[in-house]
Amino acid sequence: SQELEQSPQSLIVQEGKNLTINCTSSKTLYGLYWYKQKYGEGLIFLMMLQKGGEEKSHEKITAKLDEKKQQSSLHITASQPSHAGIYLCGAQRGNYGQNFVFGPGTRLSVLP
Amino acid sequence: DTEVTQTPKHLVMGMTNKKSLKCEQHMGHRAMYWYKQKAKKPPELMFVYSYEKLSINESVPSRFSPECPNSSLLNLHLHALQPEDSALYLCASSQVEFNEQFFGPGTRLTVL
Repeated sequence: SQELEQSPQSLIVQEGKNLTINCTSSKTLYGLYWYKQKYGEGLIFLMMLQKGGEEKSHEKITAKLDEKKQQSSLHITASQPSHAGIYLCGAQRGNYGQNFVFGPGTRLSVLP
Repeated sequence: DTEVTQTPKHLVMGMTNKKSLKCEQHMGHRAMYWYKQKAKKPPELMFVYSYEKLSINESVPSRFSPECPNSSLLNLHLHALQPEDSALYLCASSQVEFNEQFFGPGTRLTVL
């Protein structure tokens, strides 16, 4: 079974709407990362969260980490077509970063 | 220079060919990675080099052979590949293992 689950699998929103993507881990989180990928291209780092309760924002994107619940959320405010893409959460396995896994991704479309 | 470059962009090879993928970064990062990504799936970690030494090999078949000639370069040598090895191969680098990773645009490999 996958270690990281994301919901929803895909999302279509109207420009200007807010949205939230969730990432849940079946194992203890030692670091949670959010990346964005445009179709068929490399990944772009968005944010890294390491402590329970941590919240970070960059432009219109906010990410939070709930360590106890082993989950993270990514919230986009006033979405724009430039936000379209695939959002992937990633996590280290183990406290010493023995490996790195990605969630299955959430495909976001923003309609103008 | 905050870029990871990968060459070639596209590669088509037969099952008996030998080819190499190349990755380069000039950010002074000491960790470099190879990921494999199949269509509509998240990237899967293949290899990690840390300080020019192989630190993680995710049980990758021996037909894939990584090489790190120096701290800026990472190669992936390919030999006797199978059609199921067709995928997008992504290279990434970070200051230390699994910190913020910078990804290259990828090499799209097709094995005939």
